[in-house]
Amino acid sequence: GAVVSQHPSWVICKSGTSVKIECRSLDFQATTMFWYRQFPKQSLMLMATSNEGSKATYEQGVEKDKFLINHASLTLSTLTVTSAHPEDSSFYICSARVIRENTGELFFGEGSRLTVL
Amino acid sequence: GEDVEQSLFLSVREGDSSVINCTYTDSSSTYLYWYKQEPGAGLQLLTYIFSNMDMKQDQRLTVLLNKKDKHLSLRIADTQTGDSAIYFCAETASNDYKLSFGAGTTVTVRA
Repeated sequence: GAVVSQHPSWVICKSGTSVKIECRSLDFQATTMFWYRQFPKQSLMLMATSNEGSKATYEQGVEKDKFLINHASLTLSTLTVTSAHPEDSSFYICSARVIRENTGELFFGEGSRLTVL
Repeated sequence: GEDVEQSLFLSVREGDSSVINCTYTDSSSTYLYWYKQEPGAGLQLLTYIFSNMDMKQDQRLTVLLNKKDKHLSLRIADTQTGDSAIYFCAETASNDYKLSFGAGTTVTVRA
């Protein structure tokens, strides 16, 4: 299947700092990427839809000034957690849709584990 | 919002078949997915099915969809120890491909 790569895989930061997570589609173009958050032993919750060349669409309850999303090219979306606090510690996973006819393929990255001290 | 429900745990003997069940509430679901997540890893797309299909088979995996009952299942034939993982059922009901996930079924394969 198509490859979606995230970087970094894990990051530890101090409270108050900002952290950037990258999501890349390695072998296909993705006009739309999605960012999810997963708490331990829980399911995934959609945070926002990242659209290439335009503003991200955030789900209800997700602070757009807290979680900055930039989709600068057809293969890269970034999520920046600004002024991170311990409650932001989580597993962040991106996904991307393969743009082909008659397919609903959605591939996920490996995830990025954020720990805020 | 859409609700997707799965049983939380399944224990199966190596070599037997595993069946993971999922129910959903949104009758306008377009695609339904099965993802596998191993500890500390991302989600691996196992298979997906379009809502106008009732079955899809891919090697050891068989997906059955009962659209009338809004029931989706994943059968893994000849279950191996490497199949131990959390399996998520997910659906998208619109053209924007936002996924609604179930809570995940933890499958444990015993020797």
